[in-house]
Amino acid sequence: GENVEQHPSTLSVQEGDSAVIKCTYSDSASNYFPWYKQELGKRPQLIIDIRSNVGEKKDQRIAVTLNKTAKHFSLHITETQPEDSAVYFCAASSGYSTLTFGKGTMLLVSP
Amino acid sequence: DTAVSQTPKYLVTQMGNDKSIKCEQNLGHDTMYWYKQDSKKFLKIMFSYNNKELIINETVPNRFSPKSPDKAHLNLHINSLELGDSAVYFCASSGGGGVGSPLHFGNGTRLTVT
Repeated sequence: GENVEQHPSTLSVQEGDSAVIKCTYSDSASNYFPWYKQELGKRPQLIIDIRSNVGEKKDQRIAVTLNKTAKHFSLHITETQPEDSAVYFCAASSGYSTLTFGKGTMLLVSP
Repeated sequence: DTAVSQTPKYLVTQMGNDKSIKCEQNLGHDTMYWYKQDSKKFLKIMFSYNNKELIINETVPNRFSPKSPDKAHLNLHINSLELGDSAVYFCASSGGGGVGSPLHFGNGTRLTVT
């Protein structure tokens, strides 16, 4: 089955800096890669996703890149703000398979 | 309107008891899931149902039994609760198979077994 590795497990940045979270996956058949944000005590919520026919996708301050050859994808957050502080999860799936999640990255943005 | 709703939000009980968590989605999705999130925040799939039929049953003790009376509901019953069952349980739904079916999570049920 699919195995998703996520790094780093914690990330501390100053407000205004950029943050990058990286994930690798094992199943070359995976073709869907969403990212979820989970604020403290809340549910995970989808913030951006990318499909295997696209190399990069951007939505305001967040962007995701995908390298299918190397089997890795990354989340980039620019101009970080304190409200970006949360746990971020990457995930991967193929066809009808269930999403496999990474172990999460706790992002702390200090004012 | 909450898209995926689960009850109760908090559940505190003693070891050995039996408890249930209910989940309902009004998104018209075909597939529903139960995830367990432990203290280290890891999200682990437990069960997946598609149109009321079980399609995934990960390595979960048989004390956990999901029930799907219709495709909008997926309940989780837990027998003989143990300390290690303490976690947050999330129900989720998705629009079915194929590429790009994001999960919509409920607000979670924090289960504490004492």
